Amino acid sequence: AQSVTQPDIHITVSEGASLELRCNYSYGATPYLFWYVQSPGQGLQLLLKYFSGDTLVQGIKGFEAEFKRSQSSFNLRKPSVHWSDAAEYFCAVSDYNNNDMRFGAGTRLTVKP
Amino acid sequence: GAVVSQHPSRVICKSGTSVKIECRSLDFQATTMFWYRQFPKQSLMLMATSNEGSKATYEQGVEKDKFLINHASLTLSTLTVTSAHPEDSSFYICSAIIPEGGADTQYFGPGTRLTVL
Repeated sequence: AQSVTQPDIHITVSEGASLELRCNYSYGATPYLFWYVQSPGQGLQLLLKYFSGDTLVQGIKGFEAEFKRSQSSFNLRKPSVHWSDAAEYFCAVSDYNNNDMRFGAGTRLTVKP
Repeated sequence: GAVVSQHPSRVICKSGTSVKIECRSLDFQATTMFWYRQFPKQSLMLMATSNEGSKATYEQGVEKDKFLINHASLTLSTLTVTSAHPEDSSFYICSAIIPEGGADTQYFGPGTRLTVL
């Protein structure tokens, strides 16, 4: 069965600093990978997704993620963090039909002024 | 803009009553919707898959008689929490699949905060 691991429960970065959130997955077939962001009391917003092709994918709000099959990773990055990026970030993996999506435990991002 | 809506956004009810939560797809037809439950500071747990015109598929450990799901149209799925108890208090989130670029993507509603007194 597929699973997702987000090793960092909580990360604090200074505004303007770079950010990398880690995600490792376990999946027997070709994984379809997603990053979502959740603000307090809100639903999830899709940041980006990887299905195939270029392993570096660009998303909204200046985020990008790189799929590395050899490391079973799909880390999320942003060159310069803004205070509004403070939120909970979830990595997810699913099959082609998106019928069995599994989420990581989430990483909470705090941004210091 | 939002492609999936939920109503209500917040509900408080007394123990023993039933609560209905609606999930609507906006401007597209969703043959499949999903219902998730999220406890404070935790990840999302899939409760069930809602299929238009057929019975929902429940995840192991989810009581189908307690969490009734109805997907009567291509734009609406409802989750009814029957005989709610305080342990049912949680954040419930629905999602719908939109086919995009050769593969499907789940888009999530804003969630419903249920508090059972």
